[in-house]
Amino acid sequence: DAKTTQPTSMDCAEGRAANLPCNHSTISGNEYVYWYRQIHSQGPQYIIHGLKNNETNEMASLIITEDRKSSTLILPHATLRDTAVYYCIVIDDKIIFGKGTRLHILP
Amino acid sequence: DGGITQSPKYLFRKEGQNVTLSCEQNLNHDAMYWYRQDPGQGLRLIYYSQIVNDFQKGDIAEGYSVSREKKESFPLTVTSAQKNPTAFYLCASSIGLAVSYEQFFGPGTRLTVL
Repeated sequence: DAKTTQPTSMDCAEGRAANLPCNHSTISGNEYVYWYRQIHSQGPQYIIHGLKNNETNEMASLIITEDRKSSTLILPHATLRDTAVYYCIVIDDKIIFGKGTRLHILP
Repeated sequence: DGGITQSPKYLFRKEGQNVTLSCEQNLNHDAMYWYRQDPGQGLRLIYYSQIVNDFQKGDIAEGYSVSREKKESFPLTVTSAQKNPTAFYLCASSIGLAVSYEQFFGPGTRLTVL
């Protein structure tokens, strides 16, 4: 079973920041948090990962709470092309993709 | 361009027939994976391979078989023993098997068994 909990779906207005939450209360000290997304009928695409520090790249920012029990993926200026299912994954001995969050960007 | 290719994108087969799905990568990655995805569900691991001539069962290996004769190729055979083969199949690769390595995914093959 996936070690993370995410909302089933979310809406965000185009041009606004999309904040996708993820709970991983059973995470252990050496487990990374990874985010992937899957656009309809395509393979998943890596977005970002982190251990305990906040991370930022050209796609998104990842904010991990100090106790590491939750994180938030931030898409700073959402576009229609960001409509996808977003998977938050805690990696221990293998990757387990849960059902993710279906993000709808509204024009 | 480096990447992973899967072919074909759509595949139709009659019940009882074996079918082989292709997966090729030119990223020089050692590890390769096969996942299955059903509508509205996450990905489930079928088989993975750390190195040429070696592969391991994932969570749902029954009714499937794989081979890894070349580093760049990891074909998946869906046999007639697989009870519900209709699904979206995704192949992925990573530098190594360590879970801290990012996985790169192919575009997927949608298999429909009639």
